Amino acid sequence: TQLLEQSPQFLSIQEGENLTVYCNSSSVFSSLQWYRQEPGEGPVLLVTVVTGGEVKKLKRLTFQFGDARKDSSLHITAAQPGDTGLYLCAGIRTGNQFYFGTGTSLTVIP
Amino acid sequence: GAVVSQHPSWVICKSGTSVKIECRSLDFQATTMFWYRQFPKQSLMLMATSNEGSKATYEQGVEKDKFLINHASLTLSTLTVTSAHPEDSSFYICSAGGRASSYEQYFGPGTRLTVT
Repeated sequence: TQLLEQSPQFLSIQEGENLTVYCNSSSVFSSLQWYRQEPGEGPVLLVTVVTGGEVKKLKRLTFQFGDARKDSSLHITAAQPGDTGLYLCAGIRTGNQFYFGTGTSLTVIP
Repeated sequence: GAVVSQHPSWVICKSGTSVKIECRSLDFQATTMFWYRQFPKQSLMLMATSNEGSKATYEQGVEKDKFLINHASLTLSTLTVTSAHPEDSSFYICSAGGRASSYEQYFGPGTRLTVT
């Protein structure tokens, strides 16, 4: 059983649509990260959120950390084919313990 | 950002042989390195945490005698898959941490292992 559950697991949408990916846990984390990974490559860090309730924007991507620091969401506006990939959340506890989410595979169809 | 390399990027070996994968932090010293295993379109599964100069800490269910980890220097950790079997075929990723912030973990590009 993984500490962080992501939903949905798979998502296929048309270019231009909006989407939200959720990362949920019953545990509290000191911070949370989101990564994007392309096939055959390592994950690339997108953002780190630290404060409960924090919202960060990265161009068309909006990240939110839950008030209780147990969950997070990633919202993509006007998705593009270049957004295709595996999105991973990772919760960090004290002692540099990383816990990866179950992953969301996104396909944006041109 | 910091750069982590892995070698080889892909390897094919016969069942019963051993394979060594290297993970190097190129521009910083990594006191801690992590080894992950990943199946297609699935998340990363932590196998072990490697600290320089000490024995690796393995996650539950990971055979330490099968997956040998050595972290002999601050820039190099190795994972050796001993007596490989087809079920060991997977994507292996390392990451390096240990810099000032505990948020930082830099991932290598991964190694695709295929055991025939």
